[in-house]
Amino acid sequence: AAGVIQSPRHLIKEKRETATLKCYPIPRHDTVYWYQQGPGQDPQFLISFYEKMQSDKGSIPDRFSAQQFSDYHSELNMSSLELGDSALYFCASSLRVLNYGYTFGSGTRLTVV
Amino acid sequence: AQKVTQAQTEISVVEKEDVTLDCVYETRDTTYYLFWYKQPPSGELVFLIRRNSFDEQNEISGRYSWNFQKSTSSFNFTITASQVVDSAVYFCALTPINNNDMRFGAGTRLTVKP
Repeated sequence: AAGVIQSPRHLIKEKRETATLKCYPIPRHDTVYWYQQGPGQDPQFLISFYEKMQSDKGSIPDRFSAQQFSDYHSELNMSSLELGDSALYFCASSLRVLNYGYTFGSGTRLTVV
Repeated sequence: AQKVTQAQTEISVVEKEDVTLDCVYETRDTTYYLFWYKQPPSGELVFLIRRNSFDEQNEISGRYSWNFQKSTSSFNFTITASQVVDSAVYFCALTPINNNDMRFGAGTRLTVKP
């Protein structure tokens, strides 16, 4: 079965650079979520989209922005990267009406040097 | 406000032992979902179970079982006859039914030794 696809799997950026993470949800899933998991930490909710509109916002820094496109894929844009942004970034998708748990992607490991 | 507490930071057992991972939660919502996820060393988050707040029936799936006690706000997870492949970090999580803000506990690192 198709899963949530995230790209790239690994990304190394320098401080103050910009990074774009991509997420392709499970086909027919209408909701996408972004989570940030720092080293040894639990995942923290950043932002979610339902039917291409921002749905909920968590602890997403102002330097980050995200959107969901017409094909339901989502991108997380991070600017002015800081060392503390180094983390595993997860995307998850779900079908809102069922809400039978989120299916997470394998994550993008971002390292800021 | 929502909060999920997994008091056990790390647990180490020997293969074939049973192990219970504790999860206690706080929420003002009357309807919510509780989840368990497994994060193996490879890093992905694997969905294990979802439980509705209005369904307190315990569930068993193979070697896994979950005990939901609304009276004590607990949703504990037991692995019977543990195996080395069960070694992972396990997260308990909570989300209100009406929004997407899933809160995770800090996770419990389970190590199963041969």
